[in-house]
Amino acid sequence: AQSVTQPDIHITVSEGASLELRCNYSYGATPYLFWYVQSPGQGLQLLLKYFSGDTLVQGIKGFEAEFKRSQSSFNLRKPSVHWSDAAEYFCAVVASGTASKLTFGTGTRLQVTL
Amino acid sequence: DTAVSQTPKYLVTQMGNDKSIKCEQNLGHDTMYWYKQDSKKFLKIMFSYNNKELIINETVPNRFSPKSPDKAHLNLHINSLELGDSAVYFCASSPFDRNTEAFFGQGTRLTVV
Repeated sequence: AQSVTQPDIHITVSEGASLELRCNYSYGATPYLFWYVQSPGQGLQLLLKYFSGDTLVQGIKGFEAEFKRSQSSFNLRKPSVHWSDAAEYFCAVVASGTASKLTFGTGTRLQVTL
Repeated sequence: DTAVSQTPKYLVTQMGNDKSIKCEQNLGHDTMYWYKQDSKKFLKIMFSYNNKELIINETVPNRFSPKSPDKAHLNLHINSLELGDSAVYFCASSPFDRNTEAFFGQGTRLTVV
């Protein structure tokens, strides 16, 4: 069965600093990978996705992620964090089958200090 | 224009009651989902419907009954509510294809007291 691991439960960075959120997946076939962000009291917004092709994908709000098959990873990065980036970040993988059933990681809470 | 909308946003109810959460999407998608987010923020799929047909049912107690009157709507009815049902419930939709992402509603925070 597929699974997603986000090893960091909580990360604190200073505004303007760079950010990397880790995501590792376990899936037998080629994965379809996603990063979603959840701001307090809000729904889930897609930041970026990887299906195939270029392993470095660009997303909204200045985020990017790199798919590394050899490491089973899909880490999220941002060169300079803004205070408004404080939120919960979820990595997810689409399981096999005909429906886009997402399996989520446990999330990483990002705190930004000024 | 809200793509995936859920009502209500907040729901507080007593144990033993029956309640419903409604979801509508105006994206023209074929597939709709219910996800549950527990108190530790863990998200897990509950159900998925494609064109009004149930295609995913993830070992959810049968007190939970989804209903899809048409492909733009997927409602969740919960009977005999228990304290452990307290969570945030998210509706989502996507085209019936793996090469796409799911679009989520704003969530319904259910509190059972």
